[in-house]
Amino acid sequence: DAGVTQTPRHEVAEKGQTIILKCEPVSGHNDLFWYRQTKIQGLELLSYFRSKSLMEDGGAFKDRFKAEMLNSSFSTLKIQPTEPKDSAVYLCASSLMDWDEQYFGPGTRLTVL
Amino acid sequence: GDSVTQTEGQVALSEEDFLTIHCNYSASGYPALFWYVQYPGEGPQFLFRASRDKEKGSSRGFEATYNKETTSFHLQKASVQESDSAVYYCALGDPGGSNAKLTFGKGTKLSVKS
Repeated sequence: DAGVTQTPRHEVAEKGQTIILKCEPVSGHNDLFWYRQTKIQGLELLSYFRSKSLMEDGGAFKDRFKAEMLNSSFSTLKIQPTEPKDSAVYLCASSLMDWDEQYFGPGTRLTVL
Repeated sequence: GDSVTQTEGQVALSEEDFLTIHCNYSASGYPALFWYVQYPGEGPQFLFRASRDKEKGSSRGFEATYNKETTSFHLQKASVQESDSAVYYCALGDPGGSNAKLTFGKGTKLSVKS
């Protein structure tokens, strides 16, 4: 079975640019998550979807971060405009249902200059 | 709010040493507790979970027991190998509703030398 796929694996952006990160969850999974990972803050939840409905939109990340699930097998995370402090690894994860383990993708490493 | 505290930021051991990574949580009710492991260049991988007091979770030689009295879920392994070198995360599910949403600790980097 294919795991969670994330593209691109690396992204370099200039300050003020718009970037879109992509995620394909495990086929048949109902829940999808976007996280940001940094050395200082660790893993922070950005967005959470259940059956394509947005359940959590990440509080402090709302203003420039927007996640969407275009269909059950594809999600995007848009950052607009980017700032240097957005440099981090962005992880996508999916799970079958409540209580189940989350399957993580390999992440996209974003560098904002 | 809910939180997870991992005491050790880094642990350095030799092969065949005994491992303990401490995890304490703060939450109401009975949240599910999880351990994940992350290898360089990869996303975290699920190790195991426990859902009720005194339940033991285990996988790949690692184990932890849910202790509601001490609000702990410490990770242990009797004999570590170099291949166990990774970052380990303790996490708790949302006790007020769906356990789908996880709160992660800051992680503990384990380095094992041969």
